[in-house]
Amino acid sequence: GAGVSQSPRYKVAKRGQDVALRCDPISGHVSLFWYQQALGQGPEFLTYFQNEAQLDKSGLPSDRFFAERPEGSVSTLKIQRTQQEDSAVYLCASSGTGDFYGYTFGSGTRLTVV
Amino acid sequence: KQEVTQIPAALSVPEGENLVLNCSFTDSAIYNLQWFRQDPGKGLTSLLLIQSSQREQTSGRLNASLDKSSGRSTLYIAASQPGDSATYLCAVPNTGANSKLTFGKGITLSVRP
Repeated sequence: GAGVSQSPRYKVAKRGQDVALRCDPISGHVSLFWYQQALGQGPEFLTYFQNEAQLDKSGLPSDRFFAERPEGSVSTLKIQRTQQEDSAVYLCASSGTGDFYGYTFGSGTRLTVV
Repeated sequence: KQEVTQIPAALSVPEGENLVLNCSFTDSAIYNLQWFRQDPGKGLTSLLLIQSSQREQTSGRLNASLDKSSGRSTLYIAASQPGDSATYLCAVPNTGANSKLTFGKGITLSVRP
């Protein structure tokens, strides 16, 4: 596609509920990133995929967070047993290879845990 | 560990003013630096990407400069308009071109008509 697509745009979850957030990167982009953005803050890195391999998951805040990209394209970020502190905007970004490629971000999923 | 700082957190200017947004980073060994715009409730839109070998990049009324040795970048906006009101974030990759980004907290700009 022309851009990075994320769904849903908004998600309200009751505390304890599991959620799944989807990211569809730009076709052919090898690298895919997930970021978490709390209100009034810059995005914070969560995890990174190169094709289907998850090369860095050091930013995942707990073992309730899980991400996958099984076929090297679409990625899903899953949060189990959601807590109020998980409320944030979750951003996905993809990039191609080469020196002059920047990052293209999706519009994000705003998760509110009530 | 790389740290990116953007000060002030918010800025309000009258329409038509030229303005400069600052970004500083602690580790000067950066690969590139990218400026983004974020509208309320929206994702990030890339504005300008400056490679480490470049001094500046221009796009329309926007000009971004990079001084690696001093750990600074500036985003210059000429003849500001109300439509420029948004949050502006700068970010640097941790290692190479496609590594995770470290962001500043952003500067929220309000351009008054």
